[in-house]
Amino acid sequence: AQSVTQPDIHITVSEGASLELRCNYSYGATPYLFWYVQSPGQGLQLLLKYFSGDTLVQGIKGFEAEFKRSQSSFNLRKPSVHWSDAAEYFCAVGLNQAGTALIFGKGTTLSVSS
Amino acid sequence: EPEVTQTPSHQVTQMGQEVILRCVPISNHLYFYWYRQILGQKVEFLVSFYNNEISEKSEIFDDQFSVERPDGSNFTLKIRSTKLEDSAMYFCASSEALWQTVHYEQYFGPGTRLTVT
Repeated sequence: AQSVTQPDIHITVSEGASLELRCNYSYGATPYLFWYVQSPGQGLQLLLKYFSGDTLVQGIKGFEAEFKRSQSSFNLRKPSVHWSDAAEYFCAVGLNQAGTALIFGKGTTLSVSS
Repeated sequence: EPEVTQTPSHQVTQMGQEVILRCVPISNHLYFYWYRQILGQKVEFLVSFYNNEISEKSEIFDDQFSVERPDGSNFTLKIRSTKLEDSAMYFCASSEALWQTVHYEQYFGPGTRLTVT
């Protein structure tokens, strides 16, 4: 069955520290992978996406993610977290085909301490 | 920057009532979607819509649900007779058709929180 697992429900990171949010997927076809962020009261904003090619992708707000096919993982990283990064982060997988469903993980809530 | 908008931001309704959630997708997008997120659970796909037809739907999207594009800008989700378990955040999204772009992505609205009492 197709699924996305985000093992960490809640993570707290000190401001300025590095961050890694984990995402593992199970998907029958070639996956297209996404990370979305949701701030309180806001919609889901796309941080980055992976379709093919270089397995390290850069996104907005200084985030990057690495696709590792052998581990079925697509972990999100940021070298130095800012207080404004506190939000909920969702990993999603889908096909590169409009009209098809994205399958989301349960999300990881990031808190940033000063 | 174009964005997907949704109204209302919060809707409270009584069990058994009909509710319509509204969305205005990005203007040149041709595919439209509804997702929902029950509190504490995953964001789940409900339905996608293209060219005035349902493109794909999940098993959640039963006969109680319907979608419509009543005019050139709005996209609506109707729940005919709401149940307590319909309480959730409902997200609308839109995307270009694949022939419009190399790699499509779905753009999400801010959501409508539906509370069924």
